[in-house]
Amino acid sequence: SQKIEQNSEALNIQEGKTATLTCNYTNYSPAYLQWYRQDPGRGPVFLLLIRENEKEKRKERLKVTFDTTLKQSLFHITASQPADSATYLCALDRSSNTGKLIFGQGTTLQVKP
Amino acid sequence: GAVVSQHPSWVICKSGTSVKIECRSLDFQATTMFWYRQFPKQSLMLMATSNEGSKATYEQGVEKDKFLINHASLTLSTLTVTSAHPEDSSFYICSASGVLGGEETQYFGPGTRLLVL
Repeated sequence: SQKIEQNSEALNIQEGKTATLTCNYTNYSPAYLQWYRQDPGRGPVFLLLIRENEKEKRKERLKVTFDTTLKQSLFHITASQPADSATYLCALDRSSNTGKLIFGQGTTLQVKP
Repeated sequence: GAVVSQHPSWVICKSGTSVKIECRSLDFQATTMFWYRQFPKQSLMLMATSNEGSKATYEQGVEKDKFLINHASLTLSTLTVTSAHPEDSSFYICSASGVLGGEETQYFGPGTRLLVL
């Protein structure tokens, strides 16, 4: 069955450093992959979408890579700030562009001042 | 950007009662909305797809008679948890498809926390 895995352990880093989060998937060939941010008690907020033919995508301090051979996406936050502390979710569309998303369990990032 | 709202934001009810949760797309029309459920420290799990003007489609293991979905207009979908029980206590989140920067993506509501006593 389709499976998405994120590092369930919390990631603690110092302010100003780069945070790198990993998303691995199996039994799947997605056309694109999405990253969301979720704060406690809130719904997910869309951050970035990367397509299978894109190796890398950037948005301000965010960078996402997508390696379809390794079946892995990396999510980077450069010059991290305490306000970046949240849970980050990766998600795949279950089949081509249906909007039916499968989410990873999320990785909680804590940026310390 | 597109905004999706939910009401109520939280609800406490007695076991056996029914609870209705509303999901609205505030500045765009959504022919399709999705309902997810999230238990503590777990990921979001898709429950059903709500289609305007037609029946909802449910994911495997989700009881359609227990979780009634109505998508009466292009901006409103409702989820009714019928005869709620403590195991239904969860965080319910809806989403709607929209276009941002030329790309279709999902906009999520703020979620509704349900506690069944």
